[in-house]
Amino acid sequence: EVQLVESGGDLVQPGGSLRLSCAASGLTFSRYWMTWVRQAPGKGLEWVANIKEDGSEKNYVDSVKGRFTISRDNAKNSLYLQMNSLRAEDTAVYYCARNRWMDYWGQGTLVTVSP
Amino acid sequence: QSALTQPPSASGSPGQSVTISCTGTSSDVGGYNYVSWYQQHPGKAPKLMIYEVTKRPSGVPDRFSGSKSGNTASLTVSGLQAEDEADYYCSSYADNKGVFGGGTKLTVL
Repeated sequence: EVQLVESGGDLVQPGGSLRLSCAASGLTFSRYWMTWVRQAPGKGLEWVANIKEDGSEKNYVDSVKGRFTISRDNAKNSLYLQMNSLRAEDTAVYYCARNRWMDYWGQGTLVTVSP
Repeated sequence: QSALTQPPSASGSPGQSVTISCTGTSSDVGGYNYVSWYQQHPGKAPKLMIYEVTKRPSGVPDRFSGSKSGNTASLTVSGLQAEDEADYYCSSYADNKGVFGGGTKLTVL
């Protein structure tokens, strides 16, 4: 059974940094693109970033370019999202998902950016 | 990428069919067969219902079907059941970058 478990969400001040992790099990992690999606409170889903199987290609939504970095460690079956220069509008539940078409999702981790 | 356009709400009575639209451009929905649909119940993670326009993952009832015409994709839910009441999101990806629709709240009357 595929399982994705996010962690690292927290309350952080504007301008601060946070690193999210996604631990994957039940799949051959190195064979899949991985994606981060977020959902602000009471709002819709927003695609954030994705990364190719071997990490050689990374894509970002314009609003996080230059501030967020997606990475992966295939030896540890783990996906990461380094978030810097955080803003109030980054407040959201962050989900990791398998594949570009997001067939499996984690339960999400809450990031709150507030003074 | 600009967000895809979905109606904010849709509704139907049990047993009826309802169709939700998702409009993009020739650069995303119209240009590739990479349209997916997700169901999200309150407080839960999204669940993939349809991928590559028409394909259903294992375990998804065949009451759910997808189609596409030009720049507009559609999700049809037939034989509506109470548990189908949820938010539905479409998504597309082009050049390996994704985009979602704004979501449609489906109410089963």
